[in-house]
Amino acid sequence: DTGVSQDPRHKITKRGQNVTFRCDPISEHNRLYWYRQTLGQGPEFLTYFQNEAQLEKSRLLSDRFSAERPKGSFSTLEIQRTEQGDSAMYLCASSPGEGSDTQYFGPGTRLTVL
Amino acid sequence: GENVEQHPSTLSVQEGDSAVIKCTYSDSASNYFPWYKQELGKGPQLIIDIRSNVGEKKDQRIAVTLNKTAKHFSLHITETQPEDSAVYFCAASMRRGNQFYFGTGTSLTVIP
Repeated sequence: DTGVSQDPRHKITKRGQNVTFRCDPISEHNRLYWYRQTLGQGPEFLTYFQNEAQLEKSRLLSDRFSAERPKGSFSTLEIQRTEQGDSAMYLCASSPGEGSDTQYFGPGTRLTVL
Repeated sequence: GENVEQHPSTLSVQEGDSAVIKCTYSDSASNYFPWYKQELGKGPQLIIDIRSNVGEKKDQRIAVTLNKTAKHFSLHITETQPEDSAVYFCAASMRRGNQFYFGTGTSLTVIP
């Protein structure tokens, strides 16, 4: 157990609905990352935060996706108007920052869009 | 951006044998190379990493080698055990704190 927690672990929704996922990083880790992983593939970067600032966003993060980390602790990832192509595992990772490269991953949220 | 290729996609070995997984990367600016193990239904777990100023690193039965000139790095698992069965991912990163670029994974099966 790395200490990164994600909620919910599984989410089934109908196309067109909005969903929100939460990530709680390891305490005092100031960097937080979101990745998406589809079946049989490696994780793909979506976005990352240093404290509350969102520093980088992937082109994969369409206008329907938004992420926040309002107090520099937990983060939320919202997907609006879900599409079947959004079905994937959404992974969160955290890093101490300050000269550390290591990212510790949470268990992920499995999203299924019907 | 960086492109990481990983081979083989599946690997079966007898218990006690060694397993080797290879990755190549495209951007010479990459300088950090972690390896993750992912079990079914779980998130990736870091098992070993290496930085570009080091050619080899070992941790018990696991070792990683890096060839900067050829832009490839490999994971070596010796004396494999059934609990080593999982999907293994390599990754590359270009600067501290930046995103990881992952390979497509290797499904390792250790046959008792």
